[in-house]
Formats: sequence, structure tokens, C-alpha cells
Amino acid sequence: EAGVVQSPRYKIIEKKQPVAFWCNPISGHNTLYWYRQNLGQGPELLIRYENEEAVDDSQLPKDRFSAERLKGVDSTLKIQPAELGDSAVYLCASTPTGKRAYEQYFGPGTRLTVT
Amino acid sequence: DAKTTQPPSMDCAEGRAANLPCNHSTISGNEYVYWYRQIHSQGPQYIIHGLKNNETNEMASLIITEDRKSSTLILPHATLRDTAVYYCIVRGALKTSYDKVIFGPGTSLSVIP
Repeated sequence: EAGVVQSPRYKIIEKKQPVAFWCNPISGHNTLYWYRQNLGQGPELLIRYENEEAVDDSQLPKDRFSAERLKGVDSTLKIQPAELGDSAVYLCASTPTGKRAYEQYFGPGTRLTVT
Repeated sequence: DAKTTQPPSMDCAEGRAANLPCNHSTISGNEYVYWYRQIHSQGPQYIIHGLKNNETNEMASLIITEDRKSSTLILPHATLRDTAVYYCIVRGALKTSYDKVIFGPGTSLSVIP
């Protein structure tokens, strides 16, 4: 089966510009996560979706970040406007329901560079 | 702050067992120990998890001390492809606890030919 798909893999933008990342989770996975990973650190959760509902967005910087998962399948994370400190890898992950709900599958990430 | 502490880096000779330690002295009774690894330029990959019993799967073995305050991930025959950052995480059993998952900086394992 296909894994978690993310695009683009790399993005370079100037500060104050908008940027969007797309994620398509594994088919049938109802839970979707967005993480941010700074250089040399572990991933940090930004938002978690159960189907189309954002059940935890407490760590999402809402002044400039937004996310959506309109049909409960693929998801988009947006930053507007981007700041230099937003340079990081943005990871998407999904988990299945049922007995294997403990397994979290990550995509390859989008590496964002803000100049 | 992460609920676990790990050495920042380790080396292991190819073909030998890699033993990666993790301290989680504040773990509570219903929290599991999870291990993930992240190969360069890829997303993290689930390896194994356990509550109090030792666990083994096709990738690794997990040894949890009797007091559950520490654990060791064992890669029995390390290969060059096992070079990665290994994260030890504690979390509850319910999927809703993922919002409380905190990844620390992990252990960077280098497998040496």
C-alpha cells in the first residue's frame, strides 16, 4: 500500500510570503497529524484531526498557521505570512483505527526554507 | 519537556548488537514506552512499544526494567541501514494521548563498517 504522501518535498520562499503543504494519508486512516521538526530536534505536534474534525490544535500558532481537512481525507497546512523562524521540516502522519491504532505512519516531510 | 532522557549519540560496529538506553523515571502506570527511528531525510518510523513485559518483533527487542523507570532497545545485528536517530517516547494507551506525545532530541546511532 502507498504510504503517507506529502508535497512539495522542498520549498524555498521569502519571508512574508504565503506557503501551503499538502498531505494525503494512508487510505482508511481516519486520524491525521501535522508536526513541525526543527533542525536537531524531535517532531512537535501542531494539530491532530479525527476525520474532518480538528480535535487538538492547541499548539498551532493560529495567528499565521491554518489547516484544513475538508473531506476527512487529504489535508493542507498553510502559513501566511511566513517568518524566518518557520524554517523547518513539516511532517504529516496518520494512524489506522482498531488494534493497530498505536502505529503512527509518517510521510517524508516538506522542508521549508524561509529567506 | 520530554519525559525521557537518552544519550545524544552512540556508535555500534556493523553486525554487533546495538543497545540503546532510555530513562523514563516519571512514567506512570498506564503509560507505554514507544520507540521510533528517523533515517536521514525521512519521517520517523515506528519500531516497537511495550508496557511492562519485554517485547520482540521483526525489527528489534524492547527490554523494560521491573520498576519501569528505564528501558533498552536492542537491534540484534546492526547494519549500516540502521544508522538513524532513535526516539524513546512515553504515552498513554489511548490514541487521544498522542496530543501529549513529546519527542526529545533522541539518540543518533552510527553503525560503523
